[in-house]
This record gives sequence, structure tokens and C-alpha cells, in this order.
Amino acid sequence: NAGVTQTPKFQVLKTGQSMTLQCAQDMNHNSMYWYRQDPGMGLRLIYYSASEGTTDKGEVPNGYNVSRLNKREFSLRLESAAPSQTSVYFCASSESKGAKGTEAFFGQGTRLTVV
Amino acid sequence: DAKTTQPTSMDCAEGRAANLPCNHSTISGNEYVYWYRQIHSQGPQYIIHGLKNNETNEMASLIITEDRKSSTLILPHATLRDTAVYYCIVKGHDYKLSFGAGTTVTVRA
Repeated sequence: NAGVTQTPKFQVLKTGQSMTLQCAQDMNHNSMYWYRQDPGMGLRLIYYSASEGTTDKGEVPNGYNVSRLNKREFSLRLESAAPSQTSVYFCASSESKGAKGTEAFFGQGTRLTVV
Repeated sequence: DAKTTQPTSMDCAEGRAANLPCNHSTISGNEYVYWYRQIHSQGPQYIIHGLKNNETNEMASLIITEDRKSSTLILPHATLRDTAVYYCIVKGHDYKLSFGAGTTVTVRA
């Protein structure tokens, strides 16, 4: 049981390049999330998808787009990468609905550097 | 979502209980308290959650005050592998988990 799988694990981009971070979960969860974590900081929510076919902005959505491809997959796209987007990106999934719910499972992260 | 306040850091001796406090004075009646930890920049790991009753699982215990304005996560016998950043999160009506800065816990031999 793989849980939440993110690809790639590491990536270096040049300013202005685009790329898509992939995330897949095999737990049949409804909700999926993308977070970023800058050095020494807590995680900040970029986008989330409460269920298949829906997406919503989080705290820091600017410069990103997302696609909930199906129930398993939730991708994050950087259209024109900037050095300020250098960060570690985490994908997560959960079965929760509303306040009550179950735990969120996180992937191991994608370490992105934009030069 | 209610905000939380945690100490920036704390030390704990190996083998002793670690008690991690969290204040959430603006929590509303149907919001849950969640605890996660992050070990050395890995993905966060769920520990425990609760509404108003105390909870215990194989990892930890969660004690929530009667007025629900604060809680304490207890790691009963801390080991070196428990060194991590611990996040206390109040989960609201939407689906989001909002992480603060957390408490950096260092377990010393």
C-alpha cells in the first residue's frame, strides 16, 4: 500500500520554465491537498480539492494551477516558475468531510529549486 | 478556523514523558483538535485528534480541558526518534488543515 506518492522528488527549474508536480493516492480518499513549506516555516495550503471535480484556493494560490484528474490524482502546475517558488511541496489526502474526520496522509515531498 | 498558540521549542529527556501544550481559546463547539508531527522535513505524520474527551492511541494521549480552550499532547516515553516539529491544529468546517509554526521538540539522551 503506497499511500500518497509524489513525483518528482527533486527538481531544478530555471526562472520562467513550467512544470507539473504529480500526486496520486491509493486510499480512495475524497479530499486532496497541495502545501508548500519554506525553510524554517510551517506548511501553507496552496490549493485543495474536497472531492473529485472540485478545487478551491488555499492561503497562497498565486502562481499555481491545479487539476483533479480523477479521484486518485491531483496535480499542481507552475506556469512560469519564479525563485520565490523555491520550496518543498507536499501533497496530502484525507477521507474527512467537515470538521469531523480522519487523518490526512502526506507524501514525502517534492524539493523544488528555481534558479 | 480557530488559531492555535504553541511554545516555539522544548527539550525532553529520553524515557520521560513529554507534555506539549497548545492554546486554542477561540475554538468553536464542533471543531476538532488535531496533532501532527514532522520529522526532519519528511511529510507530516498524523498523531491523534479529539473533540472534547481525552483520547489515547499507540503513539500518544490527548488531554483537552473542559472549556476546550487548551490541550496537551503527551508522549508517554519519549525516544530520540520522537525529535520532531509538533503541530497543534484546530480543524474547522471546511476540509483544510492550517499549520502554524509548531513546537520543535528535542529529545536528549
